[in-house]
Amino acid sequence: QQQVKQSPQSLIVQKGGISIINCAYENTAFDYFPWYQQFPGKGPALLIAIRPDVSEKKEGRFTISFNKSAKQFSLHIMDSQPGDSATYFCAASVGGATNKLIFGTGTLLAVQP
Amino acid sequence: NAGVMQNPRHLVRRRGQEARLRCSPMKGHSHVYWYRQLPEEGLKFMVYLQKENIIDESGMPKERFSAEFPKEGPSILRIQQVVRGDSAAYFCASSPDTGGTDTQYFGPGTRLTVL
Repeated sequence: QQQVKQSPQSLIVQKGGISIINCAYENTAFDYFPWYQQFPGKGPALLIAIRPDVSEKKEGRFTISFNKSAKQFSLHIMDSQPGDSATYFCAASVGGATNKLIFGTGTLLAVQP
Repeated sequence: NAGVMQNPRHLVRRRGQEARLRCSPMKGHSHVYWYRQLPEEGLKFMVYLQKENIIDESGMPKERFSAEFPKEGPSILRIQQVVRGDSAAYFCASSPDTGGTDTQYFGPGTRLTVL
């Protein structure tokens, strides 16, 4: 019940296209859903995050769509660029005494020029 | 404002030795989290600490692993008698003291190799 399932494992997109990565969860107590971007040899960097009281959040080319009833959320990268090529992780946490993040298994995105 | 700092960035140990990983949170952050990333896998939570207190260590292996966050100085993750299976990237994250403690900022990680 603590798992976050992420798909696809890898994704190839043409420059200018839309990249879509999906995550699903079971624990309805999760109340914070961030997405992280990680380049090889680097630490994860926070991209965008959402809470269950909104269905969509947009920051620049990055959008999170959240479906509370389906317990799913997704990251959309519009106008994908080669510089977006990285591994993307979704995560979830339960606020309160501990805010430990439960991570998905990651999606390796390659944007071809 | 400097980000989360971790050192060393790379650490090589032989089986049976001790590994000591250090993490300095961002200024104004007193919440520290440690995560482990095995090759080709996602990050796994290990432990959550506040100054001088362990809040949640549910992800820590029962033996050989310990963590502390003293009143002064960095947080330390200690692995005693390392084995090859401990080879991984260890990431520290910190979050602010006031409101919005959900947001965690990650350091560059320490890559531990056990020979």
